[in-house]
Amino acid sequence: RKEVEQDPGPFNVPEGATVAFNCTYSNSASQSFFWYRQDCRKEPKLLMSVYSSGNEDGRFTAQLNRASQYISLLIRDSKLSDSATYLCVVRENNYGQNFVFGPGTRLSVLP
Amino acid sequence: DTAVSQTPKYLVTQMGNDKSIKCEQNLGHDTMYWYKQDSKKFLKIMFSYNNKELIINETVPNRFSPKSPDKAHLNLHINSLELGDSAVYFCASSQDPDRGLHRSLSYEQYFGPGTRLTVT
Repeated sequence: RKEVEQDPGPFNVPEGATVAFNCTYSNSASQSFFWYRQDCRKEPKLLMSVYSSGNEDGRFTAQLNRASQYISLLIRDSKLSDSATYLCVVRENNYGQNFVFGPGTRLSVLP
Repeated sequence: DTAVSQTPKYLVTQMGNDKSIKCEQNLGHDTMYWYKQDSKKFLKIMFSYNNKELIINETVPNRFSPKSPDKAHLNLHINSLELGDSAVYFCASSQDPDRGLHRSLSYEQYFGPGTRLTVT
């Protein structure tokens, strides 16, 4: 079983649509959770950290359910510039730091 | 100023050669990493260094060796390059939350721009 799994994608949505990404992780002792975005031929960049109570940053809302080991990202009123691959990232609680990346879900926002 | 920098950005070389990729961070972080992203775009950790100590060493060939001259640098040396080594290599850094002032906060990773390695 993969440590971090995500919707396989790709997601093709029209501008203005609402899109949701799902992520599950296998290590129940995981400590920290993040969503990164990666543009084509670029490095991953932090989109937002995910907190237990859920958090929102503009059009982006992240949710965490520790009991179900599930993380989500909601994008409202999607823009063309939101087109990218979204990576779910989990920091596990083992010796040293271990950031585990999901395979990513590709989003294409169409005009 | 660039937070995490890597050189070179592109590297084309022949099988059997030895090459190095350099990484520097000016964020004052105490943990640095090397990741490999292959053609399927899956990002896999190779190494991490914390205060000059290797703390994670995933199952990678011993042809790959990280070298950390100081806290701000983590270089990657690759010996006897093979075709399968072709990939994008990313350096990253983060602050270890267990060592930071605010132990309850999560500390994200910052990535360099990547080095696209092509082995012919």
